[in-house]
Amino acid sequence: SQQGEEDPQALSIQEGENATMNCSYKTSINNLQWYRQNSGRGLVHLILIRSNEREKHSGRLRVTLDTSKKSSSLLITASRAADTASYFCATDKSVNNNAGNMLTFGGGTRLMVKP
Amino acid sequence: EAGVAQSPRYKIIEKRQSVAFWCNPISGHATLYWYQQILGQGPKLLIQFQNNGVVDDSQLPKDRFSAERLKGVDSTLKIQPAKLEDSAVYLCASRGQNSPLHFGNGTRLTVT
Repeated sequence: SQQGEEDPQALSIQEGENATMNCSYKTSINNLQWYRQNSGRGLVHLILIRSNEREKHSGRLRVTLDTSKKSSSLLITASRAADTASYFCATDKSVNNNAGNMLTFGGGTRLMVKP
Repeated sequence: EAGVAQSPRYKIIEKRQSVAFWCNPISGHATLYWYQQILGQGPKLLIQFQNNGVVDDSQLPKDRFSAERLKGVDSTLKIQPAKLEDSAVYLCASRGQNSPLHFGNGTRLTVT
C-alpha cells in the first residue's frame, strides 16, 4: 500500500517559476525522503529530512516536514526545463534494529517546466 | 562508484511465460530491494533483502513471483507464469549503512 500521497499529481509551470509539491502520509516515520525520476530511468535521491527536523535546504530545493499534520512539501525555486521529471516522497520507518528500514513511496507528482 | 546494474533493459513475453530479472547492487551494500512500478504510479516494494536474508516480502505475490540473493550480492527476481497485469518496470535498489537508496534503471516488462 502507498504510505505517502503526493499533491498535485501533475504540475506545469514556466521556467523561472517556483514549484511546490506536497506529500501526506499516515503513520509515524523516522525520516522522509524525496526522489526524482526522469522518464525511463531509475529514481535518484534528492534530500532526506529527519522526523525531528522541520526544514532543510539543498541548493534550489527546500523541504519542510510537519509531523503533527503528517505532511511534507518540496519547493524547487527558479525552476529550469531540466527539472522536468516525476518527484516522489518516500517514508522511512524502522522494521527492527538489525534490518534496513522500510521505504514506502507515494504516487508522485509529474512536473513539467516549460522553457 | 559503479551504480546498480540491472538486466535486461526490456523484455516482452506472452502471458503464462516465465521471465527472470537480474540485479547487481553497489559493492558493499547489504540491503537490496525489488520494486514494481506500474506506469503512472509510484514504486511498490516487492521484497527487501538484508545480505542473503529476507526482511520483508509481504507484498510479493508468492504464487507467481520469487526472488533470491543466495550469496548476499546479486539478486534475481522471477515471474512464473506471467499475467497481463505484471506489465511494469521492475526496479532494483541497494542501500548501505545510513545511506539513501540507489536505484538501477529498471527492466521494463511487457506481457502480451
